[in-house]
Amino acid sequence: NAGVTQTPKFRILKIGQSMTLQCTQDMNHNYMYWYRQDPGMGLKLIYYSVGAGITDKGEVPNGYNVSRSTTEDFPLRLELAAPSQTSVYFCASSLYGDRGNYGYTFGSGTRLTVV
Amino acid sequence: GESVGLHLPTLSVQEGDNSIINCAYSNSASDYFIWYKQESGKGPQFIIDIRSNMDKRQGQRVTVLLNKTVKHLSLQIAATQPGDSAVYFCAENIRQQGAQKLVFGQGTRLTINP
Repeated sequence: NAGVTQTPKFRILKIGQSMTLQCTQDMNHNYMYWYRQDPGMGLKLIYYSVGAGITDKGEVPNGYNVSRSTTEDFPLRLELAAPSQTSVYFCASSLYGDRGNYGYTFGSGTRLTVV
Repeated sequence: GESVGLHLPTLSVQEGDNSIINCAYSNSASDYFIWYKQESGKGPQFIIDIRSNMDKRQGQRVTVLLNKTVKHLSLQIAATQPGDSAVYFCAENIRQQGAQKLVFGQGTRLTINP
């Protein structure tokens, strides 16, 4: 298993540009999440998904969009990049079943700079 | 509201000493707690977890204590080594409206002095 794979690892965007951060997991996890981490801070939840076709907002969803057409993929879209979106983005997945949560797996992150 | 916070943002200990990192949480609906270690430029690395029906769990050199009465979580690292230097986050798994999500605290930077 590759776990959670994020691409790209680094990206520089100009203000107003758009991009999609890719996230794929091969563990058949039902839940997937997008977090952002600003310098010296903890991770903030942007969006999450409880399964294919279902997404919901987290703590900081403004300026982002997501989709979950398959169990494996959970892309994060930035439509009009702003300097405030400069951050490190982490994708995560987890398996939640009858016995509760079985743990979270994180990707290695995408470092995004908006100039 | 939902919040997970830490009492100490930085902690310095001597190599070989034990360290304790504390965390306060506020959501009574949290059923699962996780400690993560994050090294510079890397993603969160799982250290140890504990479910809300337990008050203590031990791993290799690490112990997590959960006090639900005062909503407090701690991570104890025994015989610290230089490789333990990192930022440590506590996180709580919150179940709301049939869904679950992980909420992180700000983090504590642990520095091991030789």
